[in-house]
Amino acid sequence: DSGVTQTPKHLITATGQRVTLRCSPRSGDLSVYWYQQSLDQGLQFLIQYYNGEERAKGNILERFSAQQFPDLHSELNLSSLELGDSALYFCASSVGSVVGNEQFFGPGTRLTVL
Amino acid sequence: GNSVTQMEGPVTLSEEAFLTINCTYTATGYPSLFWYVQYPGEGLQLLLKATKADDKGSNKGFEATYRKETTSFHLEKGSVQVSDSAVYFCALTLSGGTASKLTFGTGTRLQVTL
Repeated sequence: DSGVTQTPKHLITATGQRVTLRCSPRSGDLSVYWYQQSLDQGLQFLIQYYNGEERAKGNILERFSAQQFPDLHSELNLSSLELGDSALYFCASSVGSVVGNEQFFGPGTRLTVL
Repeated sequence: GNSVTQMEGPVTLSEEAFLTINCTYTATGYPSLFWYVQYPGEGLQLLLKATKADDKGSNKGFEATYRKETTSFHLEKGSVQVSDSAVYFCALTLSGGTASKLTFGTGTRLQVTL
């Protein structure tokens, strides 16, 4: 158990809908990262927050947004969902934001868009 | 851009066989290198890391050496077990700045049989 929790574990929804994925980092970790794992794109970095502020953006679509709250949990919002958004979404956390900090991954949320 | 290339899988080995999974990288700057493992139905776990050239990361019998001259970080284990069956990801982060997103390879599935 990494100490990173993600809810829900599974999510099934329809095209055009909006969903929210939630992540609670390990106790004491200030950085939260979101990654998408799909069969065609592999594991891709989406976005990073550090202590409530956005630090880095990767291949995140404009339909997707995220935030980190004062209690350090984070939410990833996916809207106008398309079939191609079906994937496993991982959250990771680390103590700080510097290179070399180990990132601890949650179990993921599997999103299925029908 | 920055990228990681891993050998294609799946790799199928008998128990106690020697394992090598090749990983090469392209990066602007001086990356830190990682191997993550993903067991079926679980999130990613850090297996080992190396933060500078010639460093050797090791854990649970797995080893990898950061070779700057060949831009490689090959994963090795002298004697694999059935419990090592998983997907292995090579990844990098870049030094400098305050963001530390991971760039992953495509993953290599390892299947160990009795």
